[in-house]
Amino acid sequence: DAGVTQSPTHLIKTRGQQVTLRCSPKSGHDTVSWYQQALGQGPQFIFQYYEEEERQRGNFPDRFSGHQFPNYSSELNVNALLLGDSALYLCASSLKGALWDEQYFGPGTRLTVT
Amino acid sequence: DQQVKQNSPSLSVQEGRISILNCDYTNSMFDYFLWYKKYPAEGPTFLISISSIKDKNEDGRFTVFLNKSAKHLSLHIVPSQPGDSAVYFCAASPYSGGGADGLTFGKGTHLIIQP
Repeated sequence: DAGVTQSPTHLIKTRGQQVTLRCSPKSGHDTVSWYQQALGQGPQFIFQYYEEEERQRGNFPDRFSGHQFPNYSSELNVNALLLGDSALYLCASSLKGALWDEQYFGPGTRLTVT
Repeated sequence: DQQVKQNSPSLSVQEGRISILNCDYTNSMFDYFLWYKKYPAEGPTFLISISSIKDKNEDGRFTVFLNKSAKHLSLHIVPSQPGDSAVYFCAASPYSGGGADGLTFGKGTHLIIQP
């Protein structure tokens, strides 16, 4: 049973470009959350998707957007990249209504903006 | 404004001894707390949790203590083993689950177990 998978593993982009990161949730999970972990910081909640809609959003600008597909996989899109967007982007999946204990994280995508 | 604070960026402990990792929070709405362990190139892995109705939760070598009045929690690892070397994150939420607003994480403490 595959856990949460993310692609790509690493990505290098230039300021002003756009990027799309992908996440496949753990089998049986229907909810996907995205977190940004900057260097030396803890993960910071970006938003959560359930039933193909954004349900909750953290303190991130509209440049950050997402999508959830009928198979529960999800994409995170970031437009007009800034140097400060360089971070590890983590995807976490769970079953709607489950305890936090039952949320699983993927290995992350390391984004470097130059 | 850091609502969850882990004031020790790193901690070095001898193998076999007790490791104590600390976490403070400022948001009185937080009602559920978790500890995660993270190895390089891997995502955070859930370790142990505690609800605000308890002051202690134990799972094998890991025990979490919660002092609500002091807004402080700690993770005890006894005995510490080499495989415990990792970054430990404290996280909090007003809810026990459901995903609303996500989790709020501290900056982490890098635990190093010395042989």
